[in-house]
Amino acid sequence: DAGVIQSPRHEVTEMGQEVTLRCKPISGHNSLFWYRQTMMRGLELLIYFNNNVPIDDSGMPEDRFSAKMPNASFSTLKIQPSEPRDSAVYFCASSFWGRTRNQETQYFGPGTRLLVL
Amino acid sequence: QKEVEQNSGPLSVPEGAIASLNCTYSDRGSQSFFWYRQYSGKSPELIMFIYSNGDKEDGRFTAQLNKASQYVSLLIRDSQPSDSATYLCAVNNQAGTALIFGKGTTLSVSS
Repeated sequence: DAGVIQSPRHEVTEMGQEVTLRCKPISGHNSLFWYRQTMMRGLELLIYFNNNVPIDDSGMPEDRFSAKMPNASFSTLKIQPSEPRDSAVYFCASSFWGRTRNQETQYFGPGTRLLVL
Repeated sequence: QKEVEQNSGPLSVPEGAIASLNCTYSDRGSQSFFWYRQYSGKSPELIMFIYSNGDKEDGRFTAQLNKASQYVSLLIRDSQPSDSATYLCAVNNQAGTALIFGKGTTLSVSS
């Protein structure tokens, strides 16, 4: 199993530019999560999808952030325009959510390290 | 605001000792509890999950849950330098659809 795949692994961009992060969840998983991690704030949940439908986007910091999941095998997180304070590691995670509780385990991708200059 | 609290550390223990990591949570409706380990520069990886009050053992790791006190802990026996990492406690929301993570405790095991 390939695990959760994220791209790019590293991104350096200038303030004001558009940034698109990509994620491919584990095949068969029906839930996908986008997190942001910084030293100050720890791991923050930005948004999550269940069966491709956004369930809770209350963690999205501003309207500059948007996320889509057009199908079960692909999701994007877009920041437009980017700002230096968006610099962080962005993780995507997936899980299978069903009736049995042991299917809530989330598996994380390797992350995208974003630096906005 | 649902919260998961952890002591940020660092927690320093000598090799071979028992490391005890603690976590409290605010939502009494939480049913599932997870411990993730994160090495520096890497992504979180699951160590253990626990659903029922009491202890759950897996090798050198033991998770302990006390729902009445809203407290979950992770014990690492015979700590090794390779256990040096940040340990994240996570608790599910009432719908069971998402996890709430603590900020993590940094563990340092010295040889």
